[in-house]
Amino acid sequence: EPEVTQTPSHQVTQMGQEVILRCVPISNHLYFYWYRQILGQKVEFLVSFYNNEISEKSEIFDDQFSVERPDGSNFTLKIRSTKLEDSAMYFCASKLPGAGANVLTFGAGSRLTVL
Amino acid sequence: QKEVEQDPGPLSVPEGAIVSLNCTYSNSAFQYFMWYRQYSRKGPELLMYTYSSGNKEDGRFTAQVDKSSKYISLFIRDSQPSDSATYLCAMSDVPSGGSNYKLTFGKGTLLTVNP
Repeated sequence: EPEVTQTPSHQVTQMGQEVILRCVPISNHLYFYWYRQILGQKVEFLVSFYNNEISEKSEIFDDQFSVERPDGSNFTLKIRSTKLEDSAMYFCASKLPGAGANVLTFGAGSRLTVL
Repeated sequence: QKEVEQDPGPLSVPEGAIVSLNCTYSNSAFQYFMWYRQYSRKGPELLMYTYSSGNKEDGRFTAQVDKSSKYISLFIRDSQPSDSATYLCAMSDVPSGGSNYKLTFGKGTLLTVNP
């Protein structure tokens, strides 16, 4: 069964460092998403991406965050200068165009620990 | 008022019990209602979904949506130890002019089914 692949599974970084989280969405999917889950909290929407541009972003997705689809297969989330409160699980998700809300496929997540 | 409320539990039941999980919501624009299962340190996995009001059954799982009360439920019959996980409700409205669905999650209910 096709799956969304995320790397790294766990990254530890120092506050102020840049971090790039990588995702390989399902090959024929065209909508891409990043969600975040702080330990013990809700899964929260960060950003959606379609047709090489951001479709929608949440208040959390400030200037420290950026997304990119550099090569047609990868979808990346960059945090420019990490803060302690960026420590969370980051989930990538993808879906087909035209498909409903129920067909988002999530990756296993990348756990980010900021020290 | 928070958009989606879900009792975080934890909920502990004996094997074979009927489990009832619930969420309430405030946004009357929500039309898609989903239940995700999440194992520890894994991504959310879609379990059930319902569009608008009504019931849906899949094996031991039944999802119910009552839009008049803004209340959704997931019932698990004959619960098994393998059902032990965190169950997340998620909802979405129908996006205007496209298929960019943004999910709003509940906090998740941790379920343990004891053998």
